[in-house]
Amino acid sequence: AQRVTQPEKLLSVFKGAPVELKCNYSYSGSPELFWYVQYSRQRLQLLLRHISRESIKGFTADLNKGETSFHLKKPFAQEEDSAMYYCALSGPIQGAQKLVFGQGTRLTINP
Amino acid sequence: DAGVTQSPTHLIKTRGQQVTLRCSPKSGHDTVSWYQQALGQGPQFIFQYYEEEERQRGNFPDRFSGHQFPNYSSELNVNALLLGDSALYLCASSGRGGYRGYTFGSGTRLTVV
Repeated sequence: AQRVTQPEKLLSVFKGAPVELKCNYSYSGSPELFWYVQYSRQRLQLLLRHISRESIKGFTADLNKGETSFHLKKPFAQEEDSAMYYCALSGPIQGAQKLVFGQGTRLTINP
Repeated sequence: DAGVTQSPTHLIKTRGQQVTLRCSPKSGHDTVSWYQQALGQGPQFIFQYYEEEERQRGNFPDRFSGHQFPNYSSELNVNALLLGDSALYLCASSGRGGYRGYTFGSGTRLTVV
């Protein structure tokens, strides 16, 4: 079964502190992993994809196939990082690209 | 480019009624997916349309149906509404060639009373 688990519904850190949002997944095969972000009063938007291996807004995420994890990290949190973060996966099946989302983690950066 | 547009933004319906939600994909996108997001939950996949056909479906009853038009826009229809259908309904579009990064709309907030 395809499943994404984000164990923390709420995460609060101080500005300048490191941030790690956890994501574990269950999938038979090689999925594609994503992090989506939703800032207050804005629509859901793609933050980064594991396949592109890029850093967006200082965030990085490494796919660990052994631990089936895709944790999101940032070394120094900023107040504008406060948002709802969703981890998601999709299968590699050609033409079947549904996203399976976790429940989300609300990140709050305290000044 | 307006991105993905959804209408209406808010809707209140009575239990047992039928509802139609609309979505226009981002320019250049030809695949439309619909998601249901209940309060405090992540989005759940309903179905996906490509070339005017339902390509994949999630675990939703037949009361949920859809359509895609030649201009790639799409509709989501829900019949015999239940209180539990109250949620934010998101439309997401993606482009050709297996590109997997979706662009999401702002959603339609459906309240069933």
